[in-house]
Amino acid sequence: GAVVSQHPSWVICKSGTSVKIECRSLDFQATTMFWYRQFPKQSLMLMATSNEGSKATYEQGVEKDKFLINHASLTLSTLTVTSAHPEDSSFYICSASPRDRAYEQYFGPGTRLTVT
Amino acid sequence: KQEVTQIPAALSVPEGENLVLNCSFTDSAIYNLQWFRQDPGKGLTSLLLIQSSQREQTSGRLNASLDKSSGRSTLYIAASQPGDSATYLCAVRGGYQKVTFGTGTKLQVIP
Repeated sequence: GAVVSQHPSWVICKSGTSVKIECRSLDFQATTMFWYRQFPKQSLMLMATSNEGSKATYEQGVEKDKFLINHASLTLSTLTVTSAHPEDSSFYICSASPRDRAYEQYFGPGTRLTVT
Repeated sequence: KQEVTQIPAALSVPEGENLVLNCSFTDSAIYNLQWFRQDPGKGLTSLLLIQSSQREQTSGRLNASLDKSSGRSTLYIAASQPGDSATYLCAVRGGYQKVTFGTGTKLQVIP
């Protein structure tokens, strides 16, 4: 149980376009989902925290207008990278906390984004 | 602000050796600490989760300890195997559900 999926697993897009990444909790309801970014040879950095039905809370230094997060249901959160640039190329990982076990986080497999 | 450091940054050992990975954190007010492994270009695999009230957790050849007061955790891997080669990350969960990841230890087990 407690499986989190991400789609796509990898994506290549051209500079200036937007790309959407989905994060789904497959067998539990997640009131809170988190988005992380990992640059090469660096650790994961929290980008934002999203609660179902409300606006996401972004970490300092993360552009809200560039990284749009929507958490419309208890099983789905999306991250849209708008007007992507090569420096946005990174590994994006989401995690989800179950409704009844908020102290736990289950991580998705990640999405590798390459912007050319 | 929580800071999590892992030492060493990289480690290379011959197969069969027992080894210890270290994780230190600056703010001892944590809810739990979790160890993950990450294979190149892939996501995270959770290994062990230690709640703040616990001192250690074991799973197979892995044993993780937590000393909250001193801000340290260790991951002990017994009888290492080439398949253990990966980057190991520790992550500390503090207030407001925030998780701070360590810098990682890249482990290579040589056959």
